[in-house]
Amino acid sequence: EAEVAQSPRYKITEKSQAVAFWCDPISGHATLYWYRQILGQGPELLVQFQDESVVDDSQLPKDRFSAERLKGVDSTLKIQPAELGDSAMYLCASSYPTGTSGRISYEQYFGPGTRLTVT
Amino acid sequence: GNSVTQMEGPVTLSEEAFLTINCTYTATGYPSLFWYVQYPGEGLQLLLKATKADDKGSNKGFEATYRKETTSFHLEKGSVQVSDSAVYFCALNNAGGTSYGKLTFGQGTILTVHP
Repeated sequence: EAEVAQSPRYKITEKSQAVAFWCDPISGHATLYWYRQILGQGPELLVQFQDESVVDDSQLPKDRFSAERLKGVDSTLKIQPAELGDSAMYLCASSYPTGTSGRISYEQYFGPGTRLTVT
Repeated sequence: GNSVTQMEGPVTLSEEAFLTINCTYTATGYPSLFWYVQYPGEGLQLLLKATKADDKGSNKGFEATYRKETTSFHLEKGSVQVSDSAVYFCALNNAGGTSYGKLTFGQGTILTVHP
């Protein structure tokens, strides 16, 4: 069964350092999402791609976070500089549309996540 | 905007007990509703979904019915097992416009099942 791949699984970094996460979605999934999940809370969307284009980055802290999906396949999320408050699980998901016109649904498949600890 | 509210946990049950986790939502239009499960140290797995009013999603003994009149999507299971211990998230998305399925999650409910 196809899966969303993420690396690394765990990352410890010092504050003010740069850190990057990688995601490879399920083949054929045009939509890719990056979520941040703080311990004890539900995931919150950081950025959403449709193919190589950003369609929603309203919650992405753009002064320190950046994301790209250059060829519309895999994606990288970067933080520079990292802050203590960035410690969280970073989840990547991909989806495809199902259903018929007027009732289209997007079923998202999540990767295992990257647990970031900033010290 | 969209929002999802789940019953506060944690929920602790004995094996074979009946489970209900309440979920209510606020959304424009006609959202699709989902339940996701997260086991310790792992990502989220889709448990079940419903895309229109009165639909019932079901999987692995879990069920939830899309109730538009009460804006609810409560998760139920008749007999829980120790292996069901996890965090459960209720979520919704709107597929209209350019949202492309952006999910809005509840805060999650921790379920612990004891033998």
